[in-house]
Amino acid sequence: GAVVSQHPSRVICKSGTSVKIECRSLDFQATTMFWYRQFPKQSLMLMATSNEGSKATYEQGVEKDKFLINHASLTLSTLTVTSAHPEDSSFYICSAQRLAGTLETQYFGPGTRLLVL
Amino acid sequence: DQQVKQNSPSLSVQEGRISILNCDYTNSMFDYFLWYKKYPAEGPTFLISISSIKDKNEDGRFTVFLNKSAKHLSLHIVPSQPGDSAVYFCAASARSSASKIIFGSGTRLSIRP
Repeated sequence: GAVVSQHPSRVICKSGTSVKIECRSLDFQATTMFWYRQFPKQSLMLMATSNEGSKATYEQGVEKDKFLINHASLTLSTLTVTSAHPEDSSFYICSAQRLAGTLETQYFGPGTRLLVL
Repeated sequence: DQQVKQNSPSLSVQEGRISILNCDYTNSMFDYFLWYKKYPAEGPTFLISISSIKDKNEDGRFTVFLNKSAKHLSLHIVPSQPGDSAVYFCAASARSSASKIIFGSGTRLSIRP
C-alpha cells in the first residue's frame, strides 16, 4: 500500500520556539494533503487542506499565522507551529491523497507528537 | 460541536464473537462514511466505506450498516480475532467538501481470548 511518512515522530521544544513537521508521500504524488491534530481521547480534528502550489485552506478556528503550511512539491507538505506554547502540545497527523484519488486513497502518516514545555 | 460521535470509548469482546461498533452523525450533508483502524504509533488505515445510497456494505468479516433516517452507522466484525484489537474511527464526508473527512473520537476494541 501507499506510504506516507512524517518527520519527526516526536519533538520536545521550549515555549516560544517554532517547530517544523514534514509530511511526505513516499511512493505516489499527492496533489492534496491534509493536516489534523488529535488531543488525548478525542477525534482527529482537521486543521487545514493543503494543495500543491497554492495557499492552504484552514478550518474555522485554526490560526493560519500560527500554523504555517507549505506544499512545495507533489510529495512534501510542511506544517510549522510558530511561537509554540504548551497548549499546542498535541498529536499532529497528516494525510495525502493521490492525484484524482478517492477518499479511500487518502493515506495517513504515523503522526508527530509535539510537547511544548 | 462534534459532527461525528462515537459514544463508546472502549469495547471488549471475546474472540470468535461479533464486535459491533456504533457511530452517530449530525450533519445531513454527509453522504459518504468510512471506518478506519488505528494501531499505536501508526496512522489510521482505511477499512471499509459506504455511500449514502446504500444501507449495507460487506467486505469479508467486516460489514458496515447505515441508517440514514437515524443518522447512525455501525461496523460489525465477525468473527472477532485478536488482531482486530485496535482503535476504530468512524468518519464522514460530504461530496461537496473537497475530500474533507470528519472523524469521530474513536472506540478502542479489545479482543479477549
